[in-house]
Amino acid sequence: DGGITQSPKYLFRKEGQNVTLSCEQNLNHDAMYWYRQDPGQGLRLIYYSQIVNDFQKGDIAEGYSVSREKKESFPLTVTSAQKNPTAFYLCASSPLGTYNSPLHFGNGTRLTVT
Amino acid sequence: GESVGLHLPTLSVQEGDNSIINCAYSNSASDYFIWYKQESGKGPQFIIDIRSNMDKRQGQRVTVLLNKTVKHLSLQIAATQPGDSAVYFCAENREGSGNTGKLIFGQGTTLQVKP
Repeated sequence: DGGITQSPKYLFRKEGQNVTLSCEQNLNHDAMYWYRQDPGQGLRLIYYSQIVNDFQKGDIAEGYSVSREKKESFPLTVTSAQKNPTAFYLCASSPLGTYNSPLHFGNGTRLTVT
Repeated sequence: GESVGLHLPTLSVQEGDNSIINCAYSNSASDYFIWYKQESGKGPQFIIDIRSNMDKRQGQRVTVLLNKTVKHLSLQIAATQPGDSAVYFCAENREGSGNTGKLIFGQGTTLQVKP
């Protein structure tokens, strides 16, 4: 059963701590993405990667970092530099260069920082 | 029931009625548009998409209409069911590159279906 797995579903951290959110996909997609969703808002792009060992900043990359060491995995680190880290984080994947397969999302990690 | 523009956050319809959710997009160069459905606590789920060389596309109980002249997108749901209750987002791809992942999302419309 192919899909995207995000873990954990809920995460709690103290202010000033870095935290890493996991994202794994078994869809054999080349591209992976991290989006952030705030209450009552649409999604905003944090980072994306189109190939292993390469990634680009999205619209709101400040205070976040990523890595792409394997095709299947795209972890997101929320650093202490992120001013408002409490949010719902969504990982997604898609093939490249085709309109035939839209962006496929995981079920998210809800991060609360106090 | 019908929502207008991006600023009506909730649409309430009677079960069995048709629903129309509207969206205005921002970039005239966008060539690919998607509707997603998001249930509480879950990730967005793909409903239907349309490319800019089309005006209309139909799926099972859903139809997407694209008006490029006024940069307007709509989602029509026929015979709305309680299971359709969710937040609906329109999204446009930003570069016209065929890359379907770098999307700009609207703020969403909450659809409430009354039994």
